[in-house]
This record gives sequence, structure tokens and C-alpha cells, in this order.
Amino acid sequence: DSGVTQTPKHLITATGQRVTLRCSPRSGDLSVYWYQQSLDQGLQFLIQYYNGEERAKGNILERFSAQQFPDLHSELNLSSLELGDSALYFCASSVGGRKRDTQYFGPGTRLTVL
Amino acid sequence: GESVGLHLPTLSVQEGDNSIINCAYSNSASDYFIWYKQESGKGPQFIIDIRSNMDKRQGQRVTVLLNKTVKHLSLQIAATQPGDSAVYFCAENMQGGSEKLVFGKGTKLTVNP
Repeated sequence: DSGVTQTPKHLITATGQRVTLRCSPRSGDLSVYWYQQSLDQGLQFLIQYYNGEERAKGNILERFSAQQFPDLHSELNLSSLELGDSALYFCASSVGGRKRDTQYFGPGTRLTVL
Repeated sequence: GESVGLHLPTLSVQEGDNSIINCAYSNSASDYFIWYKQESGKGPQFIIDIRSNMDKRQGQRVTVLLNKTVKHLSLQIAATQPGDSAVYFCAENMQGGSEKLVFGKGTKLTVNP
């Protein structure tokens, strides 16, 4: 158990809908990262927050957004869902904003868009 | 562009044998590399990391080798056990960049009893 929690574990929804994925980092970790894992693209970095502020952005679609709250939990919002958004979404956390801080991954949320 | 790839998508070994998982990276600006293990239904789990100023690092039953000349990374697992069966990913982080990791496609390791 990494100490990172994600809810829900599974999510099934329809195209065009909007969903929110939640992540609670390890106690004391200030950085939260979101990754998408699909069969064809592998693990792709989406976005990072550090202590409430956006720190880095990857290939995140404009339909996707995220935020980190004062209690350091983070939410990833996916809107206007398409079939191709079906994937595993992982949250990871690390102690701080240093490059070599180990990123600890949560168990993931499996999103299925029908 | 950014890419981290793996030579073999699958690897099958006998229990007790040593396993070697390879990874080729394309970005010479990367200065930090990590191996993750992902078991079925779980998130990636950190195994070991190495900085670009090193060519070898050892952990418990695992060794990572880095060859910057040919941009190659390998993970060696000694005395492979059935519990080592998983998908293994190498990831890289670029010098001067953010903390984001660029992951390879993964190698599935199967350990046969």
C-alpha cells in the first residue's frame, strides 16, 4: 500500500458526460501528479500540482482539468467524454517539488466510457 | 522527441533464474531514471532509481545499469521469484525540466515455477 488513495476504483459512464476523479496523497506529500494509462499510449503524464499550484503540464486535453485543494487532495475533472478517454487514471504523490523525490502511485481509477 | 522504449514486450524466466529487462531511451538530456513494477490491478510501484552520474546501482535483489553512451538502461533481478511477475516500466526525467516522468511501454515478466 503506497498510502495514496483514489476514488472511485471503477467508473462507467456515457459519451458526452463529465466525471470527477479524486486523489488523496500520502500524508505530508505536497506534490500530486496525474497520469493516464491506456493500451496504445502507455503511461502518460497529464499534470502536476505542488502545494495547491499547477507545477507542470503534459499532454492534457482541454476537456480535462485538475485542481489541488488546501487539504492537498486533488481532483481530475474529465468532461465531454469520448470513447478514447477510457483508460486507467493514476494519481501519484511525492514529498516536495524536487526532481528526485520518489513518486508513489495510487491504485488507479478505471474509467470506461460507453 | 521524448520517448523511452523497451526492446522486448515480454520476458519469460524460470523461478530462481536471473532476469534482465532492457530499456532504450532517446533523450540524451535525461539525467534521472527510475524502474517501476506494476502488478495486475495495481498502480506502479517504485523499485530503484539511478542518476546519470552513476552507471550502476544496487538494491535488494535488483541492480540497475546505465550506459549513457548507447542510451541504454537495464534492470537485473536476481533469483527471480513468482512474486516478481509483473509489468516493468522504465521512466526518465529530463535535466532542467519538471518532475514529470516519461514512461516506456513496459515489459511483462512472467516467472514460471
